[in-house]
Amino acid sequence: GAGVSQSPSNKVTEKGKDVELRCDPISGHTALYWYRQSLGQGLEFLIYFQGNSAPDKSGLPSDRFSAERTGGSVSTLTIQRTQQEDSAVYLCASSLRTVEGGELFFGEGSRLTVL
Amino acid sequence: AQSVTQLDSQVPVFEEAPVELRCNYSSSVSVYLFWYVQYPNQGLQLLLKYLSGSTLVKGINGFEAEFNKSQTSFHLRKPSVHISDTAEYFCAVSDRRDFQKLVFGTGTRLLVSP
Repeated sequence: GAGVSQSPSNKVTEKGKDVELRCDPISGHTALYWYRQSLGQGLEFLIYFQGNSAPDKSGLPSDRFSAERTGGSVSTLTIQRTQQEDSAVYLCASSLRTVEGGELFFGEGSRLTVL
Repeated sequence: AQSVTQLDSQVPVFEEAPVELRCNYSSSVSVYLFWYVQYPNQGLQLLLKYLSGSTLVKGINGFEAEFNKSQTSFHLRKPSVHISDTAEYFCAVSDRRDFQKLVFGTGTRLLVSP
């Protein structure tokens, strides 16, 4: 596609439910990143993929969070047993490869609200 | 670990006035520095970046930033703003030894009024 696509754009869920957020990167981009943007906070790094592997998972807030990427393309961020503090905008970005100083291209985000 | 401070959460300014958005980062031996902009209802996009060389970096839409190593700053400037510059601006830094991890500031909302 022309840009990074994320779905759903908005998700409202009840505490304790599982949610899946999807990211479709720009075609040919081998690096993919997930960030979280909470109200009044900066963008919090969660995880990045180079191809299908995730060399750095250190940003995942807890073991309720997981992410996978298949076929070097689409990625899914899964949050199990959601909590109210998980409410945030989840941003996905991709880049041509993990080069030094490379530009990240961001999607418009998935806004998650946990009631 | 790197951190970024954007002290101003919001900067109101009149059209055609100059503006400076401040960014300071935690000290490191060597870093890459970026400014990203997020227009309403759009994803973030790169405004400019400093990798090496000249400390004055020019970006899109007339913006520029200056890398100051001694003050660990990377302030963003524009001599004359337009209404269309109204957006949220994020400063970001990555350590050259761990460049994949881009650390963002909390953002500064620039509000340009006529």
